[in-house]
Amino acid sequence: EAAVTQSPRSKVAVTGGKVTLSCHQTNNHDYMYWYRQDTGHGLRLIHYSYVADSTEKGDIPDGYKASRPSQENFSLILELASLSQTAVYFCASSDPGGSYEQYFGPGTRLTVL
Amino acid sequence: GDSVTQTEGLVTLTEGLPVMLNCTYQTAYSTFLFWYVQHLNEAPKLLLKSSTDNKRTEHQGFHATLHKSSSSFHLQKSSAQLSDSALYYCALSVQVVGQLTFGSGTRLQVYA
Repeated sequence: EAAVTQSPRSKVAVTGGKVTLSCHQTNNHDYMYWYRQDTGHGLRLIHYSYVADSTEKGDIPDGYKASRPSQENFSLILELASLSQTAVYFCASSDPGGSYEQYFGPGTRLTVL
Repeated sequence: GDSVTQTEGLVTLTEGLPVMLNCTYQTAYSTFLFWYVQHLNEAPKLLLKSSTDNKRTEHQGFHATLHKSSSSFHLQKSSAQLSDSALYYCALSVQVVGQLTFGSGTRLQVYA
């Protein structure tokens, strides 16, 4: 079965600090995505990537950067964490050759204090 | 732009009653529609998907039919179970872009 893993699974960060969330997939998928989940807003796309060494802005990219050093790995970076970035973050991957069904990782619960 | 609307934020049911969660969408492109289910503290997982007009799709007791004429893809089940309690997302993919657009989600709470 397709596998997407995320680390850490939970994190407490201080306001103004730097946070890096990591995602690793063994699906051999070209496409990868970062979402944040907030009650009442559902899943919102932050950044995505079609290929290694290239990233694209999603619907809510402000305050976030992304890095795709290889096909398997996709990181989300919060350079200056803020209280409003407290949320659950999900990584996903998909195969562009099909229906674009996305496979999600288990999520990272980030709390910014 | 593309959008998905789920009108109910919360649906509460007694076990054994039928389930219907609404989903309508807007897009100018040929697309796939999906239902994802997310149980508490878990990742969203695919429940159903379809791109075929007027064809019923079934999985794990749930079913949905894509109606392009009304831009709808409602999720149904004949008899709710306690284990169906979860957050359900409707989503569409636009094949040209390869992204999913999600609705805001409907939380289904089933009581004994």
